[in-house]
Amino acid sequence: NAGVMQNPRHLVRRRGQEARLRCSPMKGHSHVYWYRQLPEEGLKFMVYLQKENIIDESGMPKERFSAEFPKEGPSILRIQQVVRGDSAAYFCASSPWTEAEQYFGPGTRLTVT
Amino acid sequence: GQQLNQSPQSMFIQEGEDVSMNCTSSSIFNTWLWYKQDPGEGPVLLIALYKAGELTSNGRLTAQFGITRKDSFLNISASIPSDVGIYFCAGDNAGNMLTFGGGTRLMVKP
Repeated sequence: NAGVMQNPRHLVRRRGQEARLRCSPMKGHSHVYWYRQLPEEGLKFMVYLQKENIIDESGMPKERFSAEFPKEGPSILRIQQVVRGDSAAYFCASSPWTEAEQYFGPGTRLTVT
Repeated sequence: GQQLNQSPQSMFIQEGEDVSMNCTSSSIFNTWLWYKQDPGEGPVLLIALYKAGELTSNGRLTAQFGITRKDSFLNISASIPSDVGIYFCAGDNAGNMLTFGGGTRLMVKP
């Protein structure tokens, strides 16, 4: 049973470029969550999605960041015009229903040069 | 916003020792979870707690959901070298997001 999959594991972008991070939830899970982790800190919630719907995006910056979870295919976290402050580890988690445990993927480490 | 205070921030362990760490919050949570994160990896779920007062074990790990619903602790008995890593507590209220503590870093005594 495959766990949550994320790719790429490492991503390097120059300032101003776009970053696309992908997340495939565990089989049978239709709830996806994105978190960001800065070095030496805990994870911070960004957005919660179900298939084709954004349920809660209260933790996501209003500009440059967007997320989707289409009917088919992985969830995508998109960061436009990246800046150095976007450098962090981005984790995706999935759960089978609301209020169930969340299982995390291995993360994507974004470095903006 | 909600904040979780986790302590200690770091601790050294010697193989065979018991380890305790805790998490406190200014607000109530309906669910408490404990995760372990190894370098370069995502958090791995260790224990989930759903009821105030609940005490749950997973092998050498034991965790409790505080009666006030504002705190939780994690104990590791008879620690082994592979216990090294960062332990995070997380609280969940609405099922939408987890609020994480700052982590407890477990290291091996030289």
